Amino acid sequence: TQLLEQSPQFLSIQEGENLTVYCNSSSVFSSLQWYRQEPGEGPVLLVTVVTGGEVKKLKRLTFQFGDARKDSSLHITAAQPGDTGLYLCAGARAGGTSYGKLTFGQGTILTVHP
Amino acid sequence: SQTIHQWPATLVQPVGSPLSLECTVEGTSNPNLYWYRQAAGRGLQLLFYSVGIGQISSEVPQNLSASRPQDRQFILSSKKLLLSDSGFYLCAWRDIAFTGELFFGEGSRLTVL
Repeated sequence: TQLLEQSPQFLSIQEGENLTVYCNSSSVFSSLQWYRQEPGEGPVLLVTVVTGGEVKKLKRLTFQFGDARKDSSLHITAAQPGDTGLYLCAGARAGGTSYGKLTFGQGTILTVHP
Repeated sequence: SQTIHQWPATLVQPVGSPLSLECTVEGTSNPNLYWYRQAAGRGLQLLFYSVGIGQISSEVPQNLSASRPQDRQFILSSKKLLLSDSGFYLCAWRDIAFTGELFFGEGSRLTVL
């Protein structure tokens, strides 16, 4: 079973602070996605990283895929209350029988206080 | 554009009663479809996936079943609900591109009393 260890599980910070969420595995993934979820809604895709060492930026969010494609991080600069939510990483398995199944991390609940 | 819709949004059912959650996708053909369960706002557990009409694969043994009677319709069912079936159920479809992103429905909150 492929597992994704996501940390921290909870993060409570003040507006303007920086933060990093980590997603680690002993398995290699063909791609890794980050989702954000609001209470009572389905997750929404933020970004997909595919190449080892890849860095993608989405405004104040920076996503990185590890060189060996086993880990990823999400860094938020100058967090705002609107960033509050559940952040989920998810890895896609390689191979023809994977059928697009994703392995999800346990999630990080981020609260940004004004 | 593609859309995904699932219903009902909220359901309160007694133990031992049946369940039917429905999911439909529009704007795409022959999508891969998935049912996930999420407990207490945490990570998602894959329950079932389907690569075509009538084709269902179960990821974990449980009290639930799934069916795909039409190309863009995915149904999650139970004959007799258990307390442990309570949770937030999410339907999703897969983009056929290499990166395989999932697009989720709005979710269905099930409470079994």
